[in-house]
Amino acid sequence: QSILSQPPSASGTPGQRVSLSCSGTNSNIGKNGVTWYQQLSESAPKLLIYNVDQRPSGVPDRFSGSKSGTAASLTIIGLQSVDEAYYYCATWDDSVSGWVFGGGTKLSVL
Amino acid sequence: EVQLVESGGTLVKPGGSLRISCTGSGFTFSTSTLNWVRQAPGKGLEWVSSISASGEYIYYSDSLQGRFTVSRDNARNSLFLQMNRLSAADTAVYFCARDLLIPGARIPFESWGQGTPVTVSS
Repeated sequence: QSILSQPPSASGTPGQRVSLSCSGTNSNIGKNGVTWYQQLSESAPKLLIYNVDQRPSGVPDRFSGSKSGTAASLTIIGLQSVDEAYYYCATWDDSVSGWVFGGGTKLSVL
Repeated sequence: EVQLVESGGTLVKPGGSLRISCTGSGFTFSTSTLNWVRQAPGKGLEWVSSISASGEYIYYSDSLQGRFTVSRDNARNSLFLQMNRLSAADTAVYFCARDLLIPGARIPFESWGQGTPVTVSS
């Protein structure tokens, strides 16, 4: 059972807008920045978003992040087949003095 | 180009020990916080441990119950994870990942290695 809650699956069709949620508490998301990672099948995770809404160079601007209270979201606009992957949120949790990951959302592009 | 290469993963018997390594290149290893993250088969990512640039600050997941020890050798650009009293629950791919400090922000797990598989089975 992950400290951060993510829906196990989500789906969309090419060109659509999808939002993936990540729910936490006041000791983690409520107090700290959120990072998002993309993991394609059988590969290492890749950084997508850091500090809630910052995009590293090289990440398409179709990806954006936001946070409200103890919940964070990753939004993808103009969904593409290459976006089919697992998406994980992560943040520091003050109550356990450690990093916590969400359980991950498997995004399917239909 | 930043590169992190893990090694040392293998099959080990329950109750056994194993040390895995990660070698970094393409960045200033000695000023980077480094981490271990693992992923059990078919499961999500689980943070294991973090070690500061100098090794002064070390953090572990509570779930490890004191069985793992992280260390680093900045002269050899190497990160290590000593794992003791291993059980089937420790079977996973172990990734090393570095944090990146930029003006005004710390980016956790900014770059990742490809991982090394550890299997605990009799």
